[in-house]
Amino acid sequence: DVKVTQSSRYLVKRTGEKVFLECVQDMDHENMFWYRQDPGLGLRLIYFSYDVKMKEKGDIPEGYSVSREKKERFSLILESASTNQTSMYLCASSAGYLNTEAFFGQGTRLTVV
Amino acid sequence: EDQVTQSPEALRLQEGESSSLNCSYTVSGLRGLFWYRQDPGKGPEFLFTLYSAGEEKEKERLKATLTKKESFLHITAPKPEDSATYLCAVRGKAAGNKLTFGGGTRVLVKP
Repeated sequence: DVKVTQSSRYLVKRTGEKVFLECVQDMDHENMFWYRQDPGLGLRLIYFSYDVKMKEKGDIPEGYSVSREKKERFSLILESASTNQTSMYLCASSAGYLNTEAFFGQGTRLTVV
Repeated sequence: EDQVTQSPEALRLQEGESSSLNCSYTVSGLRGLFWYRQDPGKGPEFLFTLYSAGEEKEKERLKATLTKKESFLHITAPKPEDSATYLCAVRGKAAGNKLTFGGGTRVLVKP
């Protein structure tokens, strides 16, 4: 079974803090993704990576950065957390060849106060 | 730009009452249409991939079909455990590895 594991289920952080969300996959997938999910807005792509040290902006990259130093790990960084970044964050991975499905982690519910 | 619209937004069914969910899409060169199930507070769980018009996939009480403009997820004789949000996503030729998601359909099956 494909396993995508996010480091935390729930996080509460203060405004202005630097926040790290970690994601690890065990299927040797080339592609990894970070989405956020908000009521009424659906899933929106923040960043994705198709190889180690490679990254591309998604639809809403502002206020976020990412790091992929190892193939299995993809980190999302909130440089200075703000209340409008309160959301459900979802990590996903997929194999490198096109047309394959993406598998998701269990999600991290982040609250910024 | 790829677009996905799902309808209805919400669906209340009695146990055993079959129904269909719709996913309409606009994409330049479909490279795959994906259905996911999402339970509250959890990540989406992969269900099906469809690649070409006329294709069908089945899993237990769920059956997904695909035309050139839309996909349907048919739920036959649903049970309360089928209650979830069902998400549709597409990957278009121009989007590379990126998926575009619809807003989802919340399904509630009452016993």
